[in-house]
Amino acid sequence: KAGVTQTPRYLIKTRGQQVTLSCSPISGHRSVSWYQQTPGQGLQFLFEYFSETQRNKGNFPGRFSGRQFSNSRSEMNVSTLELGDSALYLCASARGGQGDTQYFGPGTRLTVL
Amino acid sequence: AQSVTQLDSQVPVFEEAPVELRCNYSSSVSVYLFWYVQYPNQGLQLLLKYLSGSTLVKGINGFEAEFNKSQTSFHLRKPSVHISDTAEYFCAVSARLGTTDSWGKLQFGAGTQVVVTP
Repeated sequence: KAGVTQTPRYLIKTRGQQVTLSCSPISGHRSVSWYQQTPGQGLQFLFEYFSETQRNKGNFPGRFSGRQFSNSRSEMNVSTLELGDSALYLCASARGGQGDTQYFGPGTRLTVL
Repeated sequence: AQSVTQLDSQVPVFEEAPVELRCNYSSSVSVYLFWYVQYPNQGLQLLLKYLSGSTLVKGINGFEAEFNKSQTSFHLRKPSVHISDTAEYFCAVSARLGTTDSWGKLQFGAGTQVVVTP
């Protein structure tokens, strides 16, 4: 079974630009969660999508948004990039029930200059 | 809301020695508990999880953890480590069904870096 894939793996952007990251979950999984990982703040939950609906959201500004398509693939968008948005962005897929294991992708390393 | 405290930021250990990584959590509701490992430049991989039942949980690569409800702890142990166990380890919790922020959200600790030397 193929794992979670994320594209691109690396991105370099400048302040003020916007970026879109993509995540393809494991086949059959309907839940996709997104996390931001930084040295200072650690791993922080951004949001979770299930069957094209956002079910949960973390404490991030509205510049961070996402969506999920009918094939469960998910995208995350960050608008008006700031230097502090530089991070490793991880997505995780799961079947969608409580306590289900989340399977993580390798992440997208975003650098904002 | 939940919070997770990993008491050691870094743990040096010699090869073939035992290791214990400590994790304490705080939550107003019942939780599920997880340990993940992250190797350099990779995503997170599940080592083990506690959902219910026996408080001693066995995972992959010889790791095990014990859930202690009274002490709100979920410490991870391995009796004999290898060089390949050098990585960062994360303890995480998620709220059980019925809470508003339970869906798809893992609350992670700050991580413990394990460095295994020969």
